[in-house]
Amino acid sequence: AQRVTQPEKLLSVFKGAPVELKCNYSYSGSPELFWYVQYSRQRLQLLLRHISRESIKGFTADLNKGETSFHLKKPFAQEEDSAMYYCALAPYTGANSKLTFGKGITLSVRP
Amino acid sequence: GAGVSQSPRYKVAKRGQDVALRCDPISGHVSLFWYQQALGQGPEFLTYFQNEAQLDKSGLPSDRFFAERPEGSVSTLKIQRTQQEDSAVYLCASSLSFSPGMDEQFFGPGTRLTVL
Repeated sequence: AQRVTQPEKLLSVFKGAPVELKCNYSYSGSPELFWYVQYSRQRLQLLLRHISRESIKGFTADLNKGETSFHLKKPFAQEEDSAMYYCALAPYTGANSKLTFGKGITLSVRP
Repeated sequence: GAGVSQSPRYKVAKRGQDVALRCDPISGHVSLFWYQQALGQGPEFLTYFQNEAQLDKSGLPSDRFFAERPEGSVSTLKIQRTQQEDSAVYLCASSLSFSPGMDEQFFGPGTRLTVL
């Protein structure tokens, strides 16, 4: 069975502070990991995926297979980063790439 | 271009009523997914279509839930004899193909179902 754990429900920081949103997973095979974001009154959208190794909007995430983690980081938070963030996992192989999501974390960036 | 659309956006049903939720995926997208998101939770997988074929329905919570995609485009999720625990946001997502390594899933705005 695959599982994604986001241990915190809320993270509140001041603008300019570093941000780390934690994500741990369990999966016996080779996973692909994602971060999805939902801004207020908008639909769920992909922020980044580990396989692309990109930095999106200043966010990065490194897959640590030893610790089974995929934490999302940003060195300097901006007010527009305030949103709901979900970590998700999908099997890397196989035709059905259904996503397993964590419960999500609300990031609040104060001015 | 247009993204994934869902209708209705909001649905209130009395317990025991049947409901039908519609999803219009992005044109040409082969894969279509339904997810259920309860309040305070992340989305949970319900079912998956590849064109018109329903390849995985392992997430459907009971036999009251039924999904179809008869022509490989529009999909309908039907819930019979709704119960209060069915209250949730139902999300539809589509992706271009079905290849491993995964095209991005594009999500619709969701249908918020409230069962009284």
